[in-house]
Amino acid sequence: DQQVKQNSPSLSVQEGRISILNCDYTNSMFDYFLWYKKYPAEGPTFLISISSIKDKNEDGRFTVFLNKSAKHLSLHIVPSQPGDSAVYFCAASGDESSNDMRFGAGTRLTVKP
Amino acid sequence: ETGVTQSPTHLIKTRGQQVTLRCSSQSGHNTVSWYQQALGQGPQFIFQYYREEENGRGNFPPRFSGLQFPNYSSELNVNALELDDSALYLCASSLEVPTVARGYTFGSGTRLTVV
Repeated sequence: DQQVKQNSPSLSVQEGRISILNCDYTNSMFDYFLWYKKYPAEGPTFLISISSIKDKNEDGRFTVFLNKSAKHLSLHIVPSQPGDSAVYFCAASGDESSNDMRFGAGTRLTVKP
Repeated sequence: ETGVTQSPTHLIKTRGQQVTLRCSSQSGHNTVSWYQQALGQGPQFIFQYYREEENGRGNFPPRFSGLQFPNYSSELNVNALELDDSALYLCASSLEVPTVARGYTFGSGTRLTVV
């Protein structure tokens, strides 16, 4: 059962422009959401998170938006840089301990110079 | 450098065999979780160990088992290997039980191929 979905397997943007990565979930019990970034031959790296009591969390160039009614979240990267090229995973958890996170299948972002 | 080391990086096994994958966490990281990532999919939670005790398990059969040792290392054991067990196995560790604000530190994974 795919409770977390990333429907776009790939995204290509120009350097300096905005990258928007989307994620949908089906389980209304999820209260915490995370984004991980993965480079080839490396493990995923934690990027940013948000809890369901918020609708926005910002960290430098990265902002995550949460729309609970639509069960949708998005990651905005502004401005995009070539070093941002990686696979981005959305993950969701029912508790703050982030045990048993459910991951999406990932979106490969390519930022062109 | 992530601080989480997994060995081996690649492994080929025959169906029906048993395999042990190893993970060495950062000093002080007493929580470790194991994930299976099949090709084209996101990581799927197998189980978590906290202070050497199992602290949660995903939808995996009992032939997937684990151990965590006092020196912050851990093992994932898989018995009676099946072709569908071919995947990247990721180890993730954290200081105490991780909160959403911190996330996990993942290793680079072990690529297991079952033939």
